[in-house]
Parts: sequence; structure tokens; C-alpha cells
Amino acid sequence: GENVEQHPSTLSVQEGDSAVIKCTYSDSASNYFPWYKQELGKGPQLIIDIRSNVGEKKDQRIAVTLNKTAKHFSLHITETQPEDSAVYFCAASLISGNTPLVFGKGTRLSVIA
Amino acid sequence: GAVVSQHPSWVICKSGTSVKIECRSLDFQATTMFWYRQFPKQSLMLMATSNEGSKATYEQGVEKDKFLINHASLTLSTLTVTSAHPEDSSFYICSARTGLITDTQYFGPGTRLTVL
Repeated sequence: GENVEQHPSTLSVQEGDSAVIKCTYSDSASNYFPWYKQELGKGPQLIIDIRSNVGEKKDQRIAVTLNKTAKHFSLHITETQPEDSAVYFCAASLISGNTPLVFGKGTRLSVIA
Repeated sequence: GAVVSQHPSWVICKSGTSVKIECRSLDFQATTMFWYRQFPKQSLMLMATSNEGSKATYEQGVEKDKFLINHASLTLSTLTVTSAHPEDSSFYICSARTGLITDTQYFGPGTRLTVL
């Protein structure tokens, strides 16, 4: 089955700097890669996703890149703000109604003002 | 994005009692819902996949007789923790997919269960 590795487990950056979180996956058949942000005591919130037919996607300060050959994808947050502080999870799955997402272990991002 | 709600948001119960958690898709029909459990500072652990009108598919190690899942309609799935014990205390989160061939999965706000 699919296995997703996520690094780093914790990340501290100064406000305004960029943050990068990386994930690798094992199943070359996976074709959907979402990123979720989870604040304390809340459910995960989808912030961006990418499908295997594109290599990069951007939404304002957030971007995701995908390297299918190397089987890794990354989340990039630019101009970080204190409200970006949260736990971020990457995930991978097949585009299929019944196929569950396989999550990485999460990255705790702290943005220091 | 699509909205998924959960009720209750938190519950405290005595050991041996049963607790029901509801998961609703508010503005879309969800043929598939997922139930996760999350312990402090850990990732989400999939418990089961719930399909409307059929039996849920449980992950290895999850007792189906302890965690009863009912997906009676396209907008509602319920998780019942039967004969709860302190080790069942956790954060339970549901998610729903917006369609059969689409992939976007939205999560509910979670339910904090504490078993005394």
C-alpha cells in the first residue's frame, strides 16, 4: 500500500520568511496530493491540492510542486505570517471515490513574529 | 469549499456507556465518508470507510463491533463507540468526498471524546 513520509516534523521561521515542507510517496499509481492545515482542536482544512497531470500549482502565498519521477511533492509558503502557525499534513491517494487518503505524520510550523 | 459538520464537538462519558457521533455534509451529497481517529500530536489514523447504503469497510485492527458505523443517507454518517473505555478517548474526525469520481475530501471539525 501507499506510504507517505513528511519532513521536517517541526519547522520554525521568522515572520516574512518562506517555509517549505516536503513529502515523498511510495505508490507510483497515486495521482492526487492534497495539503491540509490543522489548527489546535480543529479538523484539517484543505489549503491546496495537486493532481499528477501538473507539476506546480499556486494560490496566493501557497504553492505546491510535484515531481512524479522522484515521487515527491512539496508545500511552499511565502511571506509567512503568525496565523500560518499550525500543523500541516500532506496526503496521497488515487482519484477514486472509495480510496482513502494516506497522510504524512505532519509538520508543526511556528511563525515567529 | 464544501462544509462538513460534526456533532457533538465534545463529549465526556462514563466508562461502559455508548456514544454516538454524527457527521453531516451540509451542502453536498457524499456517497463516501471516512472516519479518522487522532491522538495528541499524531497524524490522522483511518478507522473506516463508510458508503451510503452498504456496510462500512474497517481498517485492520479496528473492531467493527466496537465502532459501529451507519451511513443511512447521502448526507449523514454516524459513528457509535460502544462500551467506551478510557483508551477510546481521542479526537474523532470524519471527512466526506464530494463525488464518486472526484477526489476532494473535506473534513469535519472533529469530536473530542473523553471517557472517564
